[in-house]
Amino acid sequence: QPVLTQPPSSSASPGESARLTCTLPSDINVGDYNIYWYQQKPGSPPRYLLHYYSDSDKGQGSGVPSRFSGSKDASANTGILLISGLQSEDEADYYCMIWPTNASGVFGGGTKLTVL
Amino acid sequence: QVQLVESGGGVVQPGRSLRLSCAASGFTFSSYGMHWVRQVPGKGLEWVTVISYDGSNKDYADFVKGRFIISRDNSKNTLYLQMNSLRVEDTAVYYCAKGGFYSNHKWFDPWGQGTLVTVSS
Repeated sequence: QPVLTQPPSSSASPGESARLTCTLPSDINVGDYNIYWYQQKPGSPPRYLLHYYSDSDKGQGSGVPSRFSGSKDASANTGILLISGLQSEDEADYYCMIWPTNASGVFGGGTKLTVL
Repeated sequence: QVQLVESGGGVVQPGRSLRLSCAASGFTFSSYGMHWVRQVPGKGLEWVTVISYDGSNKDYADFVKGRFIISRDNSKNTLYLQMNSLRVEDTAVYYCAKGGFYSNHKWFDPWGQGTLVTVSS
């Protein structure tokens, strides 16, 4: 099973943007996968935020603000969650996920985002 | 609104069995794949298993294959997870989650509140 690599932590100030990354192993190509992103706040279940395959194939969870967006950096084999106009309520853990084999799902280890 | 309510968690000894349930409401249960995802307290998420909308197709993570069985009763709008030969490392919060419309491999939305399974002697 591939391992998705997420930085354990990230921080940014209110109003700034946070760029959270999810790096795929070198033997699979980020361009071939939908990247799913979830947010989890302490004591709550995860919440689906969005998925991104390409600019023409993406989706946003119900009620998720448009300041949450997805993209990819093919050169780094990485999926990206961009949170613009950071708010204190965005402080949470963020997980990426893919379906590498169309059978078993794989999550990244998660990034704890701190809003300074 | 869509609601998923898990039950059945608790403390169980290694090697024993436990069955989790997930009662669904607010959507056409029989049209959606359903998943179980687990989380060791303080750690990350692990996908466990999925069942297709009609129960005909099931997939499992390697670490539960041969021990856990997912099933569903569309007449009762309920998802199940039969957990056999439990190990200490199966200790986690188990979430059920609604999957894709007639698909096993989409996003999970929403998630239930989770039920804690503790495997300990």
